[in-house]
Amino acid sequence: ELKVEQNPLFLSMQEGKNYTIYCNYSTTSDRLYWYRQDPGKSLESLFVLLSNGAVKQEGRLMASLDTKARLSTLHITAAVHDLSATYFCAVTNTGNQFYFGTGTSLTVIP
Amino acid sequence: GAVVSQHPSWVICKSGTSVKIECRSLDFQATTMFWYRQFPKQSLMLMATSNEGSKATYEQGVEKDKFLINHASLTLSTLTVTSAHPEDSSFYICSARALHRDRGPDTQYFGPGTRLTVL
Repeated sequence: ELKVEQNPLFLSMQEGKNYTIYCNYSTTSDRLYWYRQDPGKSLESLFVLLSNGAVKQEGRLMASLDTKARLSTLHITAAVHDLSATYFCAVTNTGNQFYFGTGTSLTVIP
Repeated sequence: GAVVSQHPSWVICKSGTSVKIECRSLDFQATTMFWYRQFPKQSLMLMATSNEGSKATYEQGVEKDKFLINHASLTLSTLTVTSAHPEDSSFYICSARALHRDRGPDTQYFGPGTRLTVL
C-alpha cells in the first residue's frame, strides 16, 4: 500500500519568514504533485515533479524531488498572508491513481 | 486549461435518501475519472476509479453498493450515494484524466467538489 506522509501537519509562521514542508512516500513513484487547497474549495495544482533532482519554482514557492530518498520538499520563501492554505503532496501509482499526503495547514500571520 | 465541473456544488438531504453527483469534463475526453472523499480537516481519500464503459474499481473499505458509479460517456461520470446517512456527509471531489499523447505524462484535472450534508 502506497503511503504518503507530510510534515508538519500544522504550521503557523510570521510573514517574511522561510520554512520547508516535507513529503515522504513509501514506494517508488515517478511523479509527485503539490496542490494547494483553500477552505471549502477544490485543489489548485502547484507543481508536477517528474524526475530525480527536479526543482520547480513559482513565486515564493519552490518544490524539489529526491526519488532515491522518496522525499519531496516545498520551500516557502518570505511568506505572505496570501499563502495561508492547506498544501497537499500526492504521488501516483502505475494505474495513475493519486495518493495524497496528510496535508499541511499553513497559517501566515502578520 | 482543461475544466472539470461538478454538479451540484452542495446538497443537503435527509437521511435515507439517495443523492447523485455529476462530474463532467467540459473540453476534453476522459477515459478515466476518479472519485475522492474528504472529511473536514483531513486529506483526500481515493474512493474509486471510474472507467468509461466498464465497472468502477473501488478502493478497499468503500462499499460499491452504497456508492454507485456510472461512467456512461467520455465526458460524464456520476456518483450516487444510496441511502445516505449523516456519516456520509463529506466533500466529494472528482478528477478526470486527460490523455496528451504528444505532450508527455497524463494529466489529471480536479473538479470544484460537492459538499454533501445528510441530516
